[in-house]
Amino acid sequence: EAAVTQSPRSKVAVTGGKVTLSCHQTNNHDYMYWYRQDTGHGLRLIHYSYVADSTEKGDIPDGYKASRPSQENFSLILELASLSQTAVYFCASSDGDERLFFGHGTKLSVL
Amino acid sequence: GMPVEQNPPALSLYEGADSGLRCNFSTTMKSVQWFQQNHRGRLITLFYLAQGTKENGRLKSTFNSKERYSTLHIKDAQLEDSGTYFCAATSGSWQLIFGSGTQLTVMP
Repeated sequence: EAAVTQSPRSKVAVTGGKVTLSCHQTNNHDYMYWYRQDTGHGLRLIHYSYVADSTEKGDIPDGYKASRPSQENFSLILELASLSQTAVYFCASSDGDERLFFGHGTKLSVL
Repeated sequence: GMPVEQNPPALSLYEGADSGLRCNFSTTMKSVQWFQQNHRGRLITLFYLAQGTKENGRLKSTFNSKERYSTLHIKDAQLEDSGTYFCAATSGSWQLIFGSGTQLTVMP
């Protein structure tokens, strides 16, 4: 089974603060993704990457940056956290045939 | 309409019952995946299908690209099957489009 590890598992942040969510995969996958899930809703794509040192915008990129310093690592950065960014964030990886492997999720609360 | 419509939004079953979930697509999809999100929020991939039918234990999933739907059938429901089930499909690019989920409650 593919391994995707997210950290932290949960975080409380203050409005206007900087938040970095990290994701590490050991599957040699080229593709990595960040999704957010709001209560009672499905997942929405924030950013993705298909190669190291390159990131692409997903469906809801505003307010988020992403960084892919290596094939294994993909970070999601909230430069100025806002209340509306309270959500659960999922990282995922895939080997290009579209099958996704998810991390456990990070619960972010912005106060 | 929504590219991926998932029904029903919520479903309650007694242990041992059978039932099915369905996703309809507004356009021809290339593949579909089904996920279970358990009570801890963990997402587990159940199936990945590019066509046809797959079975895994008490679960069976079918994907009909031509007819634009996919189903997930649960047989002999167990308490641990409770959770939220999502389908997600791709129309040809790598990007997945998620349904809104079905919240399944299995009752003793």
